[in-house]
Amino acid sequence: GQQVMQIPQYQHVQEGEDFTTYCNSSTTLSNIQWYKQRPGGHPVFLIQLVKSGEVKKQKRLTFQFGEAKKNSSLHITATQTTDVGTYFCAGQLGGNTPLVFGKGTRLSVIA
Amino acid sequence: EAQVTQNPRYLITVTGKKLTVTCSQNMNHEYMSWYRQDPGLGLRQIYYSMNVEVTDKGDVPEGYKVSRKEKRNFPLILESPSPNQTSLYFCASRRGNEKLFFGSGTQLSVL
Repeated sequence: GQQVMQIPQYQHVQEGEDFTTYCNSSTTLSNIQWYKQRPGGHPVFLIQLVKSGEVKKQKRLTFQFGEAKKNSSLHITATQTTDVGTYFCAGQLGGNTPLVFGKGTRLSVIA
Repeated sequence: EAQVTQNPRYLITVTGKKLTVTCSQNMNHEYMSWYRQDPGLGLRQIYYSMNVEVTDKGDVPEGYKVSRKEKRNFPLILESPSPNQTSLYFCASRRGNEKLFFGSGTQLSVL
């Protein structure tokens, strides 16, 4: 079945350093979504990417969707303690197929 | 307020004692889904429903049942819980291929 691989599993950074998490799919995706889960909380939607090569920004967060629509990345510039949490990507093949989640990247930020 | 409501928030039970985790959404979403979250394994889909009276197995359906008799409700049933079903469970819903809205989660412990 469809798989979405996400790396790294964990990342520890000093506050102010940059952070990137990567997702790769075994198949071409129709779209990819990103979610953030704070410690003790539930996943919350961040963004959806649909177009090949798409790049979207939300303040210090930059999201990219690969040209082949098989990979995606989330980059955080100058991390802050408020960025702590687990970041998940979730890919969809198309139509009304379910989202397939990556295993997530847990980010720790040391002040 | 648009939300997905899960109950209970915490549940401790014993092996073999049937239990139900309720999930309700007030957004008139067609799609609803159950996930379990375990350390290092990310979010794994248990069952999903595209609409009333339509349910499908996800990646880890064994030991679980669901029903979708009304659009707003999607209960998760464990007929005979076992310790390997100890996990954090999330219900989610969405319209079409839009973002998922997650409930606050149910932490289940099966002794």
